[in-house]
Amino acid sequence: GAGVSQTPSNKVTEKGKYVELRCDPISGHTALYWYRQSLGQGPEFLIYFQGTGAADDSGLPNDRFFAVRPEGSVSTLKIQRTERGDSAVYLCASSPGREDEQFFGPGTRLTVL
Amino acid sequence: DAKTTQPPSMDCAEGRAANLPCNHSTISGNEYVYWYRQIHSQGPQYIIHGLKNNETNEMASLIITEDRKSSTLILPHATLRDTAVYYCIVRVMEGGSEKLVFGKGTKLTVNP
Repeated sequence: GAGVSQTPSNKVTEKGKYVELRCDPISGHTALYWYRQSLGQGPEFLIYFQGTGAADDSGLPNDRFFAVRPEGSVSTLKIQRTERGDSAVYLCASSPGREDEQFFGPGTRLTVL
Repeated sequence: DAKTTQPPSMDCAEGRAANLPCNHSTISGNEYVYWYRQIHSQGPQYIIHGLKNNETNEMASLIITEDRKSSTLILPHATLRDTAVYYCIVRVMEGGSEKLVFGKGTKLTVNP
């Protein structure tokens, strides 16, 4: 069956611009996670949704980062006033429930020039 | 911060067993040991997890020491496609944080 998909696969933007990254989880998965991975590092947790609500947003680095999941399926990660330090691969994962294994998408590579 | 320590890199010959160690000396009683791997340019992939008993599935075996302070992931017959970064993660269950806290992992290279 279809796995987690993320669009776009690559995004190049200029410093100060606004970007949106989309995640389509596996159908029926109630839990959705966003992670960020810098070169040579392991993924770093950003935010976790259970259904439509953000159950844990402790990993968001600052208020320029925001994520939504209005209907409990697709999620969008929004970054305002992008900075060069935001350049990374943004990974999305979903799971059937909060204690189940997480299935990761291929990621969106964001480059801020 | 990650609660695990892993060697940064390991090599293994194709067809041989790959044994990847992980130290988690501060693990709590309600924390599970999870293993994920990440092949180049892909998202992480779940391998196996366990609490205190050894576990085996179609991908690998997980051996956890009796004191639970360390574990070993075993790939019984490594192939070139097993070349990846392997992450050992301790994860609180039963109402704890559902997030995965990754360290830097072990880069396993399987050589022909």
